[in-house]
Amino acid sequence: EAGVTQFPSHSVIEKGQTVTLRCDPISGHDNLYWYRRVMGKEIKFLLHFVKESKQDESGMPNNRFLAERTGGTYSTLKVQPAELEDSGVYFCASSSGLPAFSEQYFGPGTRLTVT
Amino acid sequence: AQSVTQLDSHVSVSEGTPVLLRCNYSSSYSPSLFWYVQHPNKGLQLLLKYTSAATLVKGINGFEAEFKKSETSFHLTKPSAHMSDAAEYFCVVSDFADKLIFGTGTRLQVFP
Repeated sequence: EAGVTQFPSHSVIEKGQTVTLRCDPISGHDNLYWYRRVMGKEIKFLLHFVKESKQDESGMPNNRFLAERTGGTYSTLKVQPAELEDSGVYFCASSSGLPAFSEQYFGPGTRLTVT
Repeated sequence: AQSVTQLDSHVSVSEGTPVLLRCNYSSSYSPSLFWYVQHPNKGLQLLLKYTSAATLVKGINGFEAEFKKSETSFHLTKPSAHMSDAAEYFCVVSDFADKLIFGTGTRLQVFP
């Protein structure tokens, strides 16, 4: 069974540019999460999809971040325009959701560097 | 609100000696607690989880953790370190909506 995959593994962009990160969850997992680790800080929750619906987006830092999950399969996270403080590692995770507190399986992350 | 505090940012041990990674939690209700590990260039992997069943939780690769409500602790231990245990370890608490709240991580070094 394939795990959670993320693309690209690394992205370097200039301030003001746009970047789109992609996450493919484990097949059949309805729950998809995005997390971010900024340098030197803890990993923080960004948002949670249940199928194609945003269940919780309380962690999204501002309106420069847009997450989508069309058709309830893969998800994209777009940053537009990127700022220096957006640099960090973006993790995606998925879970089946059953039972409650089922394990979240993480992808390897996308390292975003904004220069 | 839930939170976790990992008391050590770095821990160094010799191969074959015990490992202790410390974590304290804060929660307004009975928490679900986890330990995740991240090896270089890999995703986060679940080591073990506590969800109000047995207080001593056994995980993969010989790791275990004990939930102590009186001390609000959930320390991770392993009797004998192996070189392959070198990684970063995260203590995590889950809120009632499945959102994971991470500690700042403990980097474990294992010397031969």
